[in-house]
Amino acid sequence: DAKTTQPPSMDCAEGRAANLPCNHSTISGNEYVYWYRQIHSQGPQYIIHGLKNNETNEMASLIITEDRKSSTLILPHATLRDTAVYYCSNRGSGAGSYQLTFGKGTKLSVIP
Amino acid sequence: DAGVIQSPRHEVTEMGQEVTLRCKPISGHNSLFWYRQTMMRGLELLIYFNNNVPIDDSGMPEDRFSAKMPNASFSTLKIQPSEPRDSAVYFCASSFGSSGQPQHFGDGTRLSIL
Repeated sequence: DAKTTQPPSMDCAEGRAANLPCNHSTISGNEYVYWYRQIHSQGPQYIIHGLKNNETNEMASLIITEDRKSSTLILPHATLRDTAVYYCSNRGSGAGSYQLTFGKGTKLSVIP
Repeated sequence: DAGVIQSPRHEVTEMGQEVTLRCKPISGHNSLFWYRQTMMRGLELLIYFNNNVPIDDSGMPEDRFSAKMPNASFSTLKIQPSEPRDSAVYFCASSFGSSGQPQHFGDGTRLSIL
């Protein structure tokens, strides 16, 4: 069973920031928050991950609340190619913590 | 940089036939994962290899499924005999290490068993 909850769908205007929330209220201390996305007919694409601190890379920013019970993925300037299903997932860092599980994700539609 | 490469992209075969899916992980990655994705069950881990050794195969559905990793750059997932309920998208993923490192996925093999 997925340990995360996400809204089923969101719309975002092209060029605007897309903010995708994720609730992971049962996250444990050594679990990272991972974000992936899946475009139809392709494999899941890794976006970003973090433990406590906010993270930024060339694709997105990840904001994790201080209590770590939720996070937000930010795509700063959404394009049509960002239309996809976005998944957040918790995964530990210790030995044996390798299985990636996805919930139902958020279907993001970027609108021209 | 080359990502994870899977072949074939699509496979349609009749029930009872043997199916072999292939995966080339990212060079330098020492962990390899086979997943299956369906609408009903989502993403399921089938088997995990570390340094070419199977570590966890508890997700393999039954004896009809087998996986091998003869070297660091190649893995196969075989289904024999295949059944219609095996129809799914099969993904291979690789990572450097298994803990705390992101897994990178191939584009999958869409398998249809008639």
